[in-house]
Amino acid sequence: EAQVTQNPRYLITVTGKKLTVTCSQNMNHEYMSWYRQDPGLGLRQIYYSMNVEVTDKGDVPEGYKVSRKEKRNFPLILESPSPNQTSLYFCASRGTSGQETQYFGPGTRLLVL
Amino acid sequence: GQQLNQSPQSMFIQEGEDVSMNCTSSSIFNTWLWYKQDPGEGPVLLIALYKAGELTSNGRLTAQFGITRKDSFLNISASIPSDVGIYFCAGRRGGTSYGKLTFGQGTILTVHP
Repeated sequence: EAQVTQNPRYLITVTGKKLTVTCSQNMNHEYMSWYRQDPGLGLRQIYYSMNVEVTDKGDVPEGYKVSRKEKRNFPLILESPSPNQTSLYFCASRGTSGQETQYFGPGTRLLVL
Repeated sequence: GQQLNQSPQSMFIQEGEDVSMNCTSSSIFNTWLWYKQDPGEGPVLLIALYKAGELTSNGRLTAQFGITRKDSFLNISASIPSDVGIYFCAGRRGGTSYGKLTFGQGTILTVHP
């Protein structure tokens, strides 16, 4: 089954404790992205990747890091989480340009205390 | 930061009514997309628009790419209870920013039977 998986689905942590949210897709997609969703703000793109070792900033990259060492994986790293990073996070992937269907993961709900 | 203004923010309608929502931008986009998000799920692509003036339908949904390339519209005809959810517009500029996608704040649709 074609899918995007994220782990963990729920996470409660404390300010400053480094964390990683994993994302994996099994569709051999080139493009992968991370978004955060906050009430009244819609989805905002954090980072995106157009292929292995190619990443670029989205609209809200501050406080986040990403890496794309393998095509299927695109982890999101919060080196020093802060309460304003409490949010619902989505990973997404899609194929080469012209294939607009973007597949979203199930979401990771993060609470930073 | 966020550059797409989506309206209305929420709508409460009766089953069978038609729905209209729109998205405006301060800058030009080469591609407009419309997504729907069900509770607890990631967004799902409804319609993709690629040319100014383009009008595209998907069942009871019709979307248009504005002539100025700074706006887009989504109409839902004869609404049914399963239309409930959050609808998002999204825009892409293309070129070297092909991977970057900007979302609107979303329109929350409630349909009363």
